[in-house]
Amino acid sequence: DIVMTQSPLSLPVTPGEPASISCRSSQSLLHSNGYTYMDWYLQKPGQSPQLLICMASNRASGVPDRFSGSGSGTDFTLNISRVEAEDVGVYYCMQALQTSFTFGPGTKVDI
Amino acid sequence: DVQLVQSAAEVKKPGESLKISCKASGYSFTRYWIGWVRQMPGKGLEWMAMFYPDDSNTKYSSSFQGQVTISVDKSISTAYLQWNSLKASDTSIYYCVRGVTFGGVIAYFDYWGQGTLVTVSA
Repeated sequence: DIVMTQSPLSLPVTPGEPASISCRSSQSLLHSNGYTYMDWYLQKPGQSPQLLICMASNRASGVPDRFSGSGSGTDFTLNISRVEAEDVGVYYCMQALQTSFTFGPGTKVDI
Repeated sequence: DVQLVQSAAEVKKPGESLKISCKASGYSFTRYWIGWVRQMPGKGLEWMAMFYPDDSNTKYSSSFQGQVTISVDKSISTAYLQWNSLKASDTSIYYCVRGVTFGGVIAYFDYWGQGTLVTVSA
């Protein structure tokens, strides 16, 4: 299985300031079809996870534009341009290149 | 609106069987993958299994193959996850997810159910 790692695992943030989370995969997530299969999810406290970014850089419907995803191959980044209080929670990256989907350990973001 | 509504929390004893459900609405049930993700207490997310209702194509994580069974009832747009003999280590929240394909690959999970807490204790 593809192993996903994230850093940092804990990220204290300040409202209005930017924040960044890194995710690395044990092998390239670039498919032979040219697409990169890596997603970001946010699990807010007491809630189900929600999709933030799909296929490395595409914001899901309804996701504020302060969230952006970038990266390729094995290295990916989730950026929050200006953190808001509602952004606290655990952020997970997930690879979808192989159907044995695997998640990163999660990054806990709090104020 | 797309909704995945899961069955209520369960408390079971080790060795008992269990079937939890996920009722989908607001979209064409047979045209999307549906699956399950486990979250053990205080831990991260683990993908378990996926099912494509249109052709009954089924995929399991190697960690869960043989431990659980995923199924659907297309007539009522409902997916199930079943155990024949529960263990204390099955105590977790189980989330139902809708899988979207892109480029012939299940690319992401765009909708998640509210979760079903399963507690297995003697």
